[in-house]
Amino acid sequence: EPEVTQTPSHQVTQMGQEVILRCVPISNHLYFYWYRQILGQKVEFLVSFYNNEISEKSEIFDDQFSVERPDGSNFTLKIRSTKLEDSAMYFCASRGIGEGADTQYFGPGTRLTVL
Amino acid sequence: LAKTTQPISMDSYEGQEVNITCSHNNIATNDYITWYQQFPSQGPRFIIQGYKTKVTNEVASLFIPADRKSSTLSLPRVSLSDTAVYYCLVGEGYSSASKIIFGSGTRLSIRP
Repeated sequence: EPEVTQTPSHQVTQMGQEVILRCVPISNHLYFYWYRQILGQKVEFLVSFYNNEISEKSEIFDDQFSVERPDGSNFTLKIRSTKLEDSAMYFCASRGIGEGADTQYFGPGTRLTVL
Repeated sequence: LAKTTQPISMDSYEGQEVNITCSHNNIATNDYITWYQQFPSQGPRFIIQGYKTKVTNEVASLFIPADRKSSTLSLPRVSLSDTAVYYCLVGEGYSSASKIIFGSGTRLSIRP
């Protein structure tokens, strides 16, 4: 069964550093998403991406965040200058054409720890 | 997006059938009902989706009454590995609406 993959599984960084989280969505999917989950809290939507542009973003997704699909397979989330409060699990998700908006396939996540 | 209400937590034992009910009084005509499962330190996983009556797959069954104001996720003969958080979502299954809004879900604990 095809699945979404994410790397690294765990990233530790110093406050103020830039991090790039990588995702490989399911190959024929065209809608891509990033979510995050702070420990013990809800899964929160960050951004959706379709046709090489952002479709929607949340208030969390400020100027420190950016997304990119640099090639035909990868989908990245960059945090330009990390803050302590960015520590969370970050999940990438993808969805295929013809599937409902609520049918998204999530990756295993990247645990980001900002020190 | 229709608001959903589900129990914060539930406990059960291995081998039992578990039913988790979700209320969605303001469900719209075009809305579908979707359930996700999340194990600790993993991403949410789509379990099942339905519009009305009953849907069954290899993981669970979803029962939706005629008025669609509630739905019940049924897990047959649970095992310890079914311990997870279960999220009920209501939204337009086939619209351009993008994001999923997760609530707090129901934390299901299965005991031996």
